[in-house]
Amino acid sequence: GAVVSQHPSWVICKSGTSVKIECRSLDFQATTMFWYRQFPKQSLMLMATSNEGSKATYEQGVEKDKFLINHASLTLSTLTVTSAHPEDSSFYICSARQMGFFYNEQFFGPGTRLTVL
Amino acid sequence: EDQVTQSPEALRLQEGESSSLNCSYTVSGLRGLFWYRQDPGKGPEFLFTLYSAGEEKEKERLKATLTKKESFLHITAPKPEDSATYLCAGSINAGGTSYGKLTFGQGTILTVHP
Repeated sequence: GAVVSQHPSWVICKSGTSVKIECRSLDFQATTMFWYRQFPKQSLMLMATSNEGSKATYEQGVEKDKFLINHASLTLSTLTVTSAHPEDSSFYICSARQMGFFYNEQFFGPGTRLTVL
Repeated sequence: EDQVTQSPEALRLQEGESSSLNCSYTVSGLRGLFWYRQDPGKGPEFLFTLYSAGEEKEKERLKATLTKKESFLHITAPKPEDSATYLCAGSINAGGTSYGKLTFGQGTILTVHP
């Protein structure tokens, strides 16, 4: 149980294009999903919190217009990197939190490696 | 400011050599201390959640414990396949749209040599 998938697992794109990454909770409902970014040999950096049916909450320093997040249903959140540039190349990981007051566990997807040429 | 600090940054063990990883936290309103394992190029894999001081949880060769200021991940008789980065994170109860947000430590890179 508690499986989270991401698609695609890797993507290479040209500078200036937009890339969409999907995050799905496969066997549970998630009112909240989180998007992280991870640079080599570093820990996870939270980018934004995505709540189903409402606007995402972005962390300080994260550009809302560049990283568009849509949480369309209780099992799907998408991150769109708009007008990508080489500095956006990174490992993007989503997580989903199970519903319920005491259940704070977050389960992570396998990650998406983005390379912008 | 909420902070989670892990030590050591890297740990090299011989197979069978037991040891512990440390996670100290200053998180106000802590609502859970989490341990994850991350292999290179993959997302973190959930290991344990601890909610209150004195709590302990075990899974195979791993045991996690929690005090009011820190958590330990004990590894008993490790094997090479236990090599990975181990991350701990604290969850705050900020309410509203920040509910369940995790603050991660920098991780401990564990290498177990055969």
